[in-house]
Amino acid sequence: GAVVSQHPSWVICKSGTSVKIECRSLDFQATTMFWYRQFPKQSLMLMATSNEGSKATYEQGVEKDKFLINHASLTLSTLTVTSAHPEDSSFYICSATTGAGRYGYTFGSGTRLTVV
Amino acid sequence: QKEVEQNSGPLSVPEGAIASLNCTYSDRVSQSFFWYRQYSGKSPELIMSIYSNGDKEDGRFTAQLNKASQYVSLLIRDSQPSDSATYLCAVKQEGGGADGLTFGKGTHLIIQP
Repeated sequence: GAVVSQHPSWVICKSGTSVKIECRSLDFQATTMFWYRQFPKQSLMLMATSNEGSKATYEQGVEKDKFLINHASLTLSTLTVTSAHPEDSSFYICSATTGAGRYGYTFGSGTRLTVV
Repeated sequence: QKEVEQNSGPLSVPEGAIASLNCTYSDRVSQSFFWYRQYSGKSPELIMSIYSNGDKEDGRFTAQLNKASQYVSLLIRDSQPSDSATYLCAVKQEGGGADGLTFGKGTHLIIQP
């Protein structure tokens, strides 16, 4: 089945530094990848949608200059949290789909980010 | 704004009984519906998807969709302790391309041995 690999699974960084999270589709080409954020006891909130070779589309309230998304190939998307602050600490999860998305979305294993 | 509502629970069900999870959504044009299971600290895993009114069965799981009432449910038969998790209802608006999912907050299910 479709497998999405996400790395790292957890990361601790200092305030003001940047962190890059990778999301790879291992056995399929993902035309579209999504990035979600989940705070404790909250649901997943869509942050942005990225299509291979084009700029990401950000949801309302998500700062595009803070959360940089690159989808340079059909198998790799990256999310860079720039100038991280403690309030950015969260569980970040990527998801990928092969086309129009009707047949479900495969999720990566998530990245627990802690900013100290 | 699209909204997906779930009772947060916890919903406590005895082992072997049927667990019933409910979800309502606000966007009438929604066409694709998903149930995910999420264990603490893990990412969601897909249990079932449903697109047409009626019931869809897969093993111990049955999803039910009523678009007129904007209502989706998930039944888990012969509940097992390993079914204890948070169950997320997700909705996608059918568009020309791929849209992200809108998730409910999830229902915390506890199966009591």
